[in-house]
Amino acid sequence: SQTIHQWPATLVQPVGSPLSLECTVEGTSNPNLYWYRQAAGRGLQLLFYSVGIGQISSEVPQNLSASRPQDRQFILSSKKLLLSDSGFYLCAWSTAVTDTEAFFGQGTRLTVV
Amino acid sequence: GDSVTQMEGPVTLSEEAFLTINCTYTATGYPSLFWYVQYPGEGLQLLLKATKADDKGSNKGFEATYRKETTSFHLEKGSVQVSDSAVYFCALSDNTGGFKTIFGAGTRLFVKA
Repeated sequence: SQTIHQWPATLVQPVGSPLSLECTVEGTSNPNLYWYRQAAGRGLQLLFYSVGIGQISSEVPQNLSASRPQDRQFILSSKKLLLSDSGFYLCAWSTAVTDTEAFFGQGTRLTVV
Repeated sequence: GDSVTQMEGPVTLSEEAFLTINCTYTATGYPSLFWYVQYPGEGLQLLLKATKADDKGSNKGFEATYRKETTSFHLEKGSVQVSDSAVYFCALSDNTGGFKTIFGAGTRLFVKA
């Protein structure tokens, strides 16, 4: 069966420090991969999605970047965190077919101080 | 671009009340539509889905019908329980948008005993 792993679960980082959140998927090949952010009291915002290795689409301009070095690995990064980067980050995957659901990791709670 | 609009919350109901959470969408193709639920402290999970016009998705007493003419996918439940308290997200997946899933802002539901 397919599983998705996302870590760390919580992270407190100072302003200006770098960020690296990692997500890996097991049990499937060539998944679509997504990074979402859920800000406090707000909904889900799609940040990046990827349909293949090295293929990244950015949905909103921001201080973050994403990379997909391997088929089932998706990394969210920042060189210098801002206070506004605080939030709940969710990694997800789906198959490349529209009528299948997205499967979510347990999320990373990032607090920038 | 594609978008999903759902009613703002929070919605507060008494146990056994009728629930409706409105959701409308904009899409250039023929999307599949989903409702996801996020219980307190947990990740997102699929509640129900519909893949074509007039399809009805149902699960755990919840229902939603894909209405192409009104571009809507309203979530309903005849009798809510305290355990239904959660955040509900409407979403679409459209094959003209690179198969990425777009979420609404979420609606928080509180059910009082």
